[in-house]
Amino acid sequence: NAGVMQNPRHLVRRRGQEARLRCSPMKGHSHVYWYRQLPEEGLKFMVYLQKENIIDESGMPKERFSAEFPKEGPSILRIQQVVRGDSAAYFCASSSTGTGTYEQYFGPGTRLTVT
Amino acid sequence: AQSVTQLGSHVSVSEGALVLLRCNYSSSVPPYLFWYVQYPNQGLQLLLKYTTGATLVKGINGFEAEFKKSETSFHLTKPSAHMSDAAEYFCAVSSNTGGGNKLTFGTGTQLKVEL
Repeated sequence: NAGVMQNPRHLVRRRGQEARLRCSPMKGHSHVYWYRQLPEEGLKFMVYLQKENIIDESGMPKERFSAEFPKEGPSILRIQQVVRGDSAAYFCASSSTGTGTYEQYFGPGTRLTVT
Repeated sequence: AQSVTQLGSHVSVSEGALVLLRCNYSSSVPPYLFWYVQYPNQGLQLLLKYTTGATLVKGINGFEAEFKKSETSFHLTKPSAHMSDAAEYFCAVSSNTGGGNKLTFGTGTQLKVEL
């Protein structure tokens, strides 16, 4: 039973380019959370999605960042026109339900470096 | 709003000594509390969780934590440290508010185990 998968594991982008981060939840999980970990900091919530719906995007920067979780395929976190401050590790986590089940299973992360 | 404070960004213990990692939380609703461990360049692994019921919870790898409502604490302990325990540890809080269980993390404690 494969765990949460993220790709790519490492991504290098020049300033102004777009970054696309993918997350495939555990089998049977339909809830996905994205978190960002800046250097020397803890993880900070960005967005919570269910299939085809954004439920909570209160932690998402208002500009340049977007997320989706289509009916088919992985969840995607998209960062347009990246800047150096976007360099971080981005983790996704999945759970089988949004409430009543408390465990989130984390992927290995995508480490984004903006040059 | 919820928050987590982890006292001590770096803790060093001798192999075989007691491990104590401190976590205090703030929450306006009954909290769900978690400890995660992160090894270098990897995702987060759940060590243990408190949701309801018994306030002393046991987790994997010999770790346990006690929920103390009066002290708003959820400290992590292990009676005897092992070299393989060297990692970063994150305390997190969430609440079941009907909009998902997004986690709020502390800034982490780096545990070093010395011979």
